Amino acid sequence: RKEVEQDPGPFNVPEGATVAFNCTYSNSASQSFFWYRQDCRKEPKLLMSVYSSGNEDGRFTAQLNRASQYISLLIRDSKLSDSATYLCVVPTDSWGKLQFGAGTQVVVTP
Amino acid sequence: NAGVTQTPKFQVLKTGQSMTLQCAQDMNHEYMSWYRQDPGMGLRLIHYSVGAGITDQGEVPNGYNVSRSTTEDFPLRLLSAAPSQTSVYFCASSYGRGDTQYFGPGTRLTVL
Repeated sequence: RKEVEQDPGPFNVPEGATVAFNCTYSNSASQSFFWYRQDCRKEPKLLMSVYSSGNEDGRFTAQLNRASQYISLLIRDSKLSDSATYLCVVPTDSWGKLQFGAGTQVVVTP
Repeated sequence: NAGVTQTPKFQVLKTGQSMTLQCAQDMNHEYMSWYRQDPGMGLRLIHYSVGAGITDQGEVPNGYNVSRSTTEDFPLRLLSAAPSQTSVYFCASSYGRGDTQYFGPGTRLTVL
């Protein structure tokens, strides 16, 4: 089993709709998590950090389920500009080694 | 602040050639790292550094060397390029190893 797994998508979402997708991780000791956003042919940029049960930033909500070892990202009222690949990042050892998921592609359509 | 800068943006090499990818940051971050990104595989750590003079191997270090003589610079050297090293290379920096990573714009490398 991969340390971090994501559904590659693409998730095709009408503008204004809600989309959610998950990221599963194998290290039960992981304490903090990150969602990065990567636009086509660009570098990843931090979207949000998740340190406890979840985090909310505007239209974006991340939730953590430690028992089932997954984190989810929900995007409400999707905008065309939300089209991107969303990378899940999980520290996989006590030294903070980061493991990146392969990403989930979201395509928001007019 | 320029953040993290990388040069070149694009590079084509022939098998067996060597080259150095440059990375610099102006945020006074101690931790710097090099990743490669291949389709469907996510970012994989090549080498990292926790401060000037200290480097260590990541997940896929073979064929690459690094050095860290200053806090700002962290060059990645390809010793003898192979087609398997065709990839997009990202340099990143952060305050600490598990902290928010700030990425450079990437170098797209093709090895023929």
